[in-house]
Amino acid sequence: EPEVTQTPSHQVTQMGQEVILRCVPISNHLYFYWYRQILGQKVEFLVSFYNNEISEKSEIFDDQFSVERPDGSNFTLKIRSTKLEDSAMYFCANPEGVGYGYTFGSGTRLTVV
Amino acid sequence: AQTVTQSQPEMSVQEAETVTLSCTYDTSESNYYLFWYKQPPSRQMILVIRQEAYKQQNATENRFSVNFQKAAKSFSLKISDSQLGDTAMYFCAFMRPSGTYKYIFGTGTRLKVLA
Repeated sequence: EPEVTQTPSHQVTQMGQEVILRCVPISNHLYFYWYRQILGQKVEFLVSFYNNEISEKSEIFDDQFSVERPDGSNFTLKIRSTKLEDSAMYFCANPEGVGYGYTFGSGTRLTVV
Repeated sequence: AQTVTQSQPEMSVQEAETVTLSCTYDTSESNYYLFWYKQPPSRQMILVIRQEAYKQQNATENRFSVNFQKAAKSFSLKISDSQLGDTAMYFCAFMRPSGTYKYIFGTGTRLKVLA
């Protein structure tokens, strides 16, 4: 079964530092998503990609965030200057088909201290 | 804008019993998709079951079934013969059939299955 792979599984960073979260999506999928889950709370949409371009971003996804596809296959989510409130689980995901649900990565737990 | 509400923050059930988790949503769309996801302590997001709004028949996956009431905008999850491994957070999610196909999640229900 196809997998979505995220690294690292856990990252601790100092407030104000830049972090890069990585995701290897299922190959040949045009759609790609990043979601965030502050611990104990609901899962929130951050940004969607379609055909190598951002198709939608939420109000959470401000100028501190950026998404890139540096090698044409993998994705990165960069947070430029982390804040305490950025501490959360970050999930990437590919849809299995319209309306068929997503395959989520196992998540990166980001802790900002 | 669409919203998803899960009014039960926590529930518990005895092993082998049946439990129902509630979800309501608000939308002006006539066609859409609804999902239940399970998040065990590992925090992995696992798809449990999905429902297409234009299908009146309730979806079923083994011990999991839904009660989809379109007019009432209700989408509850029934877990039969509960097992200890069902202990997890359960999230209800809504997806429009167009645009970016993003999810709108509810706040979740923490389910504990008791031995």
